[in-house]
Parts: sequence; structure tokens; C-alpha cells
Amino acid sequence: AQSVTQLDSHVSVSEGTPVLLRCNYSSSYSPSLFWYVQHPNKGLQLLLKYTSAATLVKGINGFEAEFKKSETSFHLTKPSAHMSDAAEYFCVVTPFRGGKLIFGQGTELSVKP
Amino acid sequence: DTGVSQDPRHKITKRGQNVTFRCDPISEHNRLYWYRQTLGQGPEFLTYFQNEAQLEKSRLLSDRFSAERPKGSFSTLEIQRTEQGDSAMYLCASSLGVAGGSTDTQYFGPGTRLTVL
Repeated sequence: AQSVTQLDSHVSVSEGTPVLLRCNYSSSYSPSLFWYVQHPNKGLQLLLKYTSAATLVKGINGFEAEFKKSETSFHLTKPSAHMSDAAEYFCVVTPFRGGKLIFGQGTELSVKP
Repeated sequence: DTGVSQDPRHKITKRGQNVTFRCDPISEHNRLYWYRQTLGQGPEFLTYFQNEAQLEKSRLLSDRFSAERPKGSFSTLEIQRTEQGDSAMYLCASSLGVAGGSTDTQYFGPGTRLTVL
């Protein structure tokens, strides 16, 4: 079975400091992995996706994630947090090229001035 | 560029009533998905269409739930005899899937928030 575990339900950082949101996955297949962001009262937006090409994936708004097969991890990072980054972040896995997405529980990111 | 749209955005109903939601995908997208998100949780998959064919249904989709995509364009999700446990955000997503291609990206609509009293 495929699943993702987001290791922190809430992360708080100060503006201008690095962001690290942790995600571990479980998959019997070579997975595709995503990070989505959900701002309050807004729809889910794709940040980045990994589909077995380069292991370091760059996304929008300065975010990036590294696929580490040996650690079954896909952590999301950003060098410097902005206030506008405050939102809910979801790590997502899909075992097939087209099909359902399996979401983690989410990590709420707070950014302090 | 029009994204995925959903109607209504909010629905309040009494227990036992039927409700129907509509999703209009991005126009050229052949795949359409329904998810449900409850407070504090990640979205959970409900069902998936490729064109007009319903290819997969989750065990979450009880007999009271039915989804259609009659002409391979818009889709409807109906819940019959609503229960308080059906209160959630219902999300629709669409994607352009190409056979043998790379993993397609799902684009989400704003959701329909259902409250069952």
C-alpha cells in the first residue's frame, strides 16, 4: 500500500529563516511525489513534483524538495521564509502515472514577523 | 485561463436531504477526480473518471454517493439521504493524461463546503 507521513503537524519559523517540512513515503512501486499548498479559503496549488527524473526538484516560490530513496523521504525546503508562505502544506504520493493522489495529514506552517 | 470551477461553493442542508454538486474541469482535460476533505485532514480520494468512464471508486464512496460525467466534460456528485458525517469540503480536480506519458498534474477547484444539520 502507498502512504505518506508528514512528521510535523505544525511548524513555526521566523520570517527570513529556513523552512523544513518533513515527509516520509511508503510505496511498493516507483512513486511520483508532490507537494501541494493550501492557503486559507483557497484551492490546493501544486508546489512541485518528482517523477523519477532529477532527485532535487525545484518548485514555485523558491521551494525545493529532494527525493531520497534510501531514506524514503521527500522533505520540502526553502532558504528564507516569507509571511505569505503561511499555509497548510501536503505531501502527496501516487503510485501510478495517472490516478488517485494519496495525501498526508498536512503540516501547518506559521511565519512570525 | 479558466481553472477548475465548482458549484455551489457552500451548501447547508438538513439530514436526510439529497444534494448535488457540479464540477467543471479545465476544458481540454480528460481526467476528473473527486476528493473529500474533513477539518484538519488531508483530502481523501473518492472517485476518478477518464473521459466519461468511471475507472475507480473508493470504499469511502458508499451506496448513497453517485458520480457521473455523462459527456466527458463536467461531472456531478450526488449524495442521497445526507448524514451529519457527510459534512466536509468536496474537492474536484482535473488533469490531462497521456497514455505512456509522465505523471499528469492534477489541478484543483476551490471546493464545495457541505454542512449537514
